[in-house]
Amino acid sequence: GAVVSQHPSWVICKSGTSVKIECRSLDFQATTMFWYRQFPKQSLMLMATSNEGSKATYEQGVEKDKFLINHASLTLSTLTVTSAHPEDSSFYICSASKVQTGGYTFGSGTRLTVV
Amino acid sequence: KQEVTQIPAALSVPEGENLVLNCSFTDSAIYNLQWFRQDPGKGLTSLLLIQSSQREQTSGRLNASLDKSSGRSTLYIAASQPGDSATYLCAVRPGSYNTDKLIFGTGTRLQVFP
Repeated sequence: GAVVSQHPSWVICKSGTSVKIECRSLDFQATTMFWYRQFPKQSLMLMATSNEGSKATYEQGVEKDKFLINHASLTLSTLTVTSAHPEDSSFYICSASKVQTGGYTFGSGTRLTVV
Repeated sequence: KQEVTQIPAALSVPEGENLVLNCSFTDSAIYNLQWFRQDPGKGLTSLLLIQSSQREQTSGRLNASLDKSSGRSTLYIAASQPGDSATYLCAVRPGSYNTDKLIFGTGTRLQVFP
């Protein structure tokens, strides 16, 4: 199988604080992971591509200083929302690709609410 | 630029019906196509993965076909059940293996009522 674990599943934080979301590939190595954001009743929006051992590649319009991505190992990528504001409240999902099949496995998502 | 469209956008049917969900893409040069299911407030669950060289894949009551030349894929759900209610997304991985960003369709929201 190919399992991606994402934590936490939900988090509430105060405006101005930072929140870290973890994404782990449990039974395979992922040199590349992806971070998405999803608004209610909309499809997924790719935020950035996380590359193991190098800097993330951000999509146009995504603030790299606000959404810090670290991919320190072949099984772990983290997304840190810095100085969070209510407009950052959203559903964040990570995914990883298994090299052997080229298919993608997604985490269970993190519901972030900034109050 | 690859664009992926899904029709219908929403579907409501009584249980037991056989369903067809459609996905179309504008660029036939794809590496693979994947169907996902998303329940409200949850992540995506992979249903079927079709490589570009394949015509179809089957898993239980699900069957997905791929016609690259016409830029179409269909997801067939046999004998639908209320538990099938979810949003179904198709996603295309563009042709070059070095291009690994998925292009998602707009989704079909399915409701199966008892």
